[in-house]
Amino acid sequence: AQKVTQAQTEISVVEKEDVTLDCVYETRDTTYYLFWYKQPPSGELVFLIRRNSFDEQNEISGRYSWNFQKSTSSFNFTITASQVVDSAVYFCALSAYPMKTSYDKVIFGPGTSLSVIP
Amino acid sequence: DGGITQSPKYLFRKEGQNVTLSCEQNLNHDAMYWYRQDPGQGLRLIYYSQIVNDFQKGDIAEGYSVSREKKESFPLTVTSAQKNPTAFYLCASSSGLAGVNEQFFGPGTRLTVL
Repeated sequence: AQKVTQAQTEISVVEKEDVTLDCVYETRDTTYYLFWYKQPPSGELVFLIRRNSFDEQNEISGRYSWNFQKSTSSFNFTITASQVVDSAVYFCALSAYPMKTSYDKVIFGPGTSLSVIP
Repeated sequence: DGGITQSPKYLFRKEGQNVTLSCEQNLNHDAMYWYRQDPGQGLRLIYYSQIVNDFQKGDIAEGYSVSREKKESFPLTVTSAQKNPTAFYLCASSSGLAGVNEQFFGPGTRLTVL
């Protein structure tokens, strides 16, 4: 079965601190995609990154960085020098490719609520 | 600007009533999706459509219905058969398979049953 675990339900940090959001996934597929989405208080999810299971290179985008480790089935997300605007719920998600089920499916984790305190 | 619009933002329903949530996109995407979000839970797929005039049930389709008569529109009806409809509903679209491509989300509709 495919599953995404985000063990941290809520995290609070003081502005300018670094914070890492954990994501652990389970899948038997050898080919899959991992995603991170951000859900600000406005409600709509915003795509942050997609990672192919064959590409284990870490990625950095400004203050954001992602650490993908297949050996531990983890795809962690780090925000450096956090800002108040980073306050949101962050979702990690997993898919399988090609789709084994009857429909195209993305499995979302329960989300981590991040509060950045000024 | 291209994007997804959902209306209304807030919706109140009396028990036993059917209500329809609107979702429109101008991104020219073939695939559209409806998700339900409950507090402390991830998104769960209700229905999806990969092409006009075709749609498939997701994980929690019972008590819901959809139509896809136009590429731009994918309305969701919450019927009286849905026992616990109070939730936040998100519509999304993607240019191809959601498992491969990023999904674009609307701002959501918060449904409350009185």
